[in-house]
Amino acid sequence: DVKVTQSSRYLVKRTGEKVFLECVQDMDHENMFWYRQDPGLGLRLIYFSYDVKMKEKGDIPEGYSVSREKKERFSLILESASTNQTSMYLCASSGDRVQGYTFGSGTRLTVV
Amino acid sequence: KQEVTQIPAALSVPEGENLVLNCSFTDSAIYNLQWFRQDPGKGLTSLLLIQSSQREQTSGRLNASLDKSSGRSTLYIAASQPGDSATYLCAVPNQAGTALIFGKGTTLSVSS
Repeated sequence: DVKVTQSSRYLVKRTGEKVFLECVQDMDHENMFWYRQDPGLGLRLIYFSYDVKMKEKGDIPEGYSVSREKKERFSLILESASTNQTSMYLCASSGDRVQGYTFGSGTRLTVV
Repeated sequence: KQEVTQIPAALSVPEGENLVLNCSFTDSAIYNLQWFRQDPGKGLTSLLLIQSSQREQTSGRLNASLDKSSGRSTLYIAASQPGDSATYLCAVPNQAGTALIFGKGTTLSVSS
């Protein structure tokens, strides 16, 4: 089974800190994704990547950046954390178009 | 723009009941449809993936159907158990095939 591992389950950070959320997948998938999930708003796409060093903005990229230096690793960066970035962050990966998506266990980030 | 709707938003049933969760989507030109389960505070677990050429998929007590022409999918859960209590999400790829579009989910509670 494909495994997507998010390095932290819970994080508490202070306003203004630079925050790194790490995600690693073990099935050589080309595509990787970062979503955030908020009550009443559902899952919203922040960024995705379809290859090493390639990235595309999703629906809500403001305040975030990403890095994909290796195929298996996709990092989400909050340049200067703000309280409105308190959320559940979910990483996912997929292969070609007929394959489904596999999600990680999520990171609950609280910015105080 | 693809939109995904899930009805009902919440459902409470006694143990042992058979139940149906509904998902509808506005653009029938999809590659596949995926059903996920999410426990509180956790990531998404893939339950079933139905390709556009398929009518249904089964896994244990779960059966998902797909009717592309009408833009609908159903998730049938047989003989429900308290352990089935969770939020169930359906998702389809966007038109470019670059990300999943999610419904808001159905939160199921099965009482013993």
